[in-house]
Amino acid sequence: EVQLLESGGGLVQPGGSLRLSCAASGFTFSAYAMTWVRLSPGKGLEWVAVVTGGGESTYYAHSVKGRFTISRDNSKNTLYLQMNSLRAEDTAVYYCANISPGDSVDYWGQGSLLTVSS
Amino acid sequence: IQVTQSPSSLSASIGDRVTITCRASQDIGNDLAWYQQRPGKAPKLLIYSASSLQSGVPSRFSGSGSGTDFTLTISSLQPEDSATYYCLQDYNYPQMFGQGTKVEFK
Repeated sequence: EVQLLESGGGLVQPGGSLRLSCAASGFTFSAYAMTWVRLSPGKGLEWVAVVTGGGESTYYAHSVKGRFTISRDNSKNTLYLQMNSLRAEDTAVYYCANISPGDSVDYWGQGSLLTVSS
Repeated sequence: IQVTQSPSSLSASIGDRVTITCRASQDIGNDLAWYQQRPGKAPKLLIYSASSLQSGVPSRFSGSGSGTDFTLTISSLQPEDSATYYCLQDYNYPQMFGQGTKVEFK
């Protein structure tokens, strides 16, 4: 059974930093690109970032580029999202996901809440 | 690539036919997916490659379109379909979700 378990969310002041982690199990982690998606209160889903299976390539939404860094440790089956220079508008539930719609792949974590507020 | 979804919300009755549209800012072929998200739950893939039904999804859901214009149709709305629906262009990175359509009951 595929499981994705996020951790590391919490309350951070504007301008602060936080790192989210996602522990994966039930599939060959290194074979899949992994994605972060967020759901902001009162707003919709936003695709945030993706890292390829080997970690060699990363892509970001324009809203987070230069502030967030996605990475992975395939030896630990863990995905990360380092978030710096946080803003109030980054407040959201962050989902770790193994999604590749074109290949009918659709696995999501339960979400981790980040609140950016003073 | 920008994705514009409409309407932002709709109100319908049980058994109604419901249609949601997404328009991409450039030709994305059939690289569009549809997701359902219920409150407090993770998104769920309904349709991939514009018109392919994900395994386990009821057949009342269907997708159509290609190029820039796409449609999600629920042929007969059921109580459990109360949710927010999103399209996602997976043609290239950065991928982008539509703004979402909240489906409620009259």
